[in-house]
Amino acid sequence: SQQGEEDPQALSIQEGENATMNCSYKTSINNLQWYRQNSGRGLVHLILIRSNEREKHSGRLRVTLDTSKKSSSLLITASRAADTASYFCATLLIQGAQKLVFGQGTRLTINP
Amino acid sequence: KAGVTQTPRYLIKTRGQQVTLSCSPISGHRSVSWYQQTPGQGLQFLFEYFSETQRNKGNFPGRFSGRQFSNSRSEMNVSTLELGDSALYLCASSFFGTGDNEQFFGPGTRLTVL
Repeated sequence: SQQGEEDPQALSIQEGENATMNCSYKTSINNLQWYRQNSGRGLVHLILIRSNEREKHSGRLRVTLDTSKKSSSLLITASRAADTASYFCATLLIQGAQKLVFGQGTRLTINP
Repeated sequence: KAGVTQTPRYLIKTRGQQVTLSCSPISGHRSVSWYQQTPGQGLQFLFEYFSETQRNKGNFPGRFSGRQFSNSRSEMNVSTLELGDSALYLCASSFFGTGDNEQFFGPGTRLTVL
């Protein structure tokens, strides 16, 4: 089963509103990363947050990490039509092969 | 700086054939990772190459193989294609390697197996 589970699977909001996506994982991680994918294209890295960090910001993006709950959230403020995409969280596990394990993603639609 | 490039972008093959996909990383990056993306299984890690050596491997059958050249370009080969191999194949490059830093993804190769 997937290490990362995103919630919700799909989200539709109006332009200008904030969008929040959540990611839960099962085993201890080294770091957690968020990526964006537009319509079956390549992924674009958004933010990397390490296990000893609790919050990171990048422009309109805010990521939090709660290792006690094994969860992370991605907040996009003042959404724009161009934010329409799928968003994936990916975890780097502490143990085992050094590989990113991706969740199934959240499909975000911003309505004008 | 040029991004990660993948060739070809689209490919149609029939069952039983083999296919080779190519990935050119960002200049200076020594790590190349490959992922398979399907609607059912999502994004799954195939393998990672670093300085011409396979460093990590996912849970895929031996029909999936890869290699990396001295200029860091990487190829992925799938032999005896099955219908279930239809997917978007993505490669990603980074300087240090999988997971510990930002991965730069290419646009992908869309493989259709008929």
